[in-house]
Amino acid sequence: NAGVTQTPKFQVLKTGQSMTLQCAQDMNHEYMSWYRQDPGMGLRLIHYSVGAGITDQGEVPNGYNVSRSTTEDFPLRLLSAAPSQTSVYFCASSSPPGRIETQYFGPGTRLLVL
Amino acid sequence: QQQVKQSPQSLIVQKGGISIINCAYENTAFDYFPWYQQFPGKGPALLIAIRPDVSEKKEGRFTISFNKSAKQFSLHIMDSQPGDSATYFCAPSWGNMLTFGGGTRLMVKP
Repeated sequence: NAGVTQTPKFQVLKTGQSMTLQCAQDMNHEYMSWYRQDPGMGLRLIHYSVGAGITDQGEVPNGYNVSRSTTEDFPLRLLSAAPSQTSVYFCASSSPPGRIETQYFGPGTRLLVL
Repeated sequence: QQQVKQSPQSLIVQKGGISIINCAYENTAFDYFPWYQQFPGKGPALLIAIRPDVSEKKEGRFTISFNKSAKQFSLHIMDSQPGDSATYFCAPSWGNMLTFGGGTRLMVKP
């Protein structure tokens, strides 16, 4: 099992550009989520999904979109990148919903918005 | 609104010493109290966790102490090793929602 994979590892964007951060898991986990990590602030939840076709907002959803068409994939879309979105983004998965003790994090995507 | 406060922000301990990190929370709905360990360039990984029906849990050199009335829990690392040098996060949760503290950067000197 590869676990939770994220691509790209690093990305530089210009203000206003759009991009999609990819996240995939091969553990057949139902719950997937996206976090951003900023210095001194820990990780903050952006969006999450409890299964294919079901998504919901977390603590900091503005500027981000998600969709969940398959169990395996949970992409995060930046519609119009802003410097405030410079951060490290982590995807996580767990199964079944509510069993947080089985939550696994990916290696992260470092995003720089100029 | 800062629901989870973690202290200290950074900690330097000599090899063999005890590292103690504290976490205070406000939300009484939290029902799961984990600590995550993160190495540079990596994602967080679950280290140890506790449910509110017990006051202490020990796994090897790592111990969680939980005080429900004070809304606090702490991580104790006994016999700290240089390999323990990492950033530690408390992340109390309810349902599927983890709420992370700001992190503690631990350095264990050889």
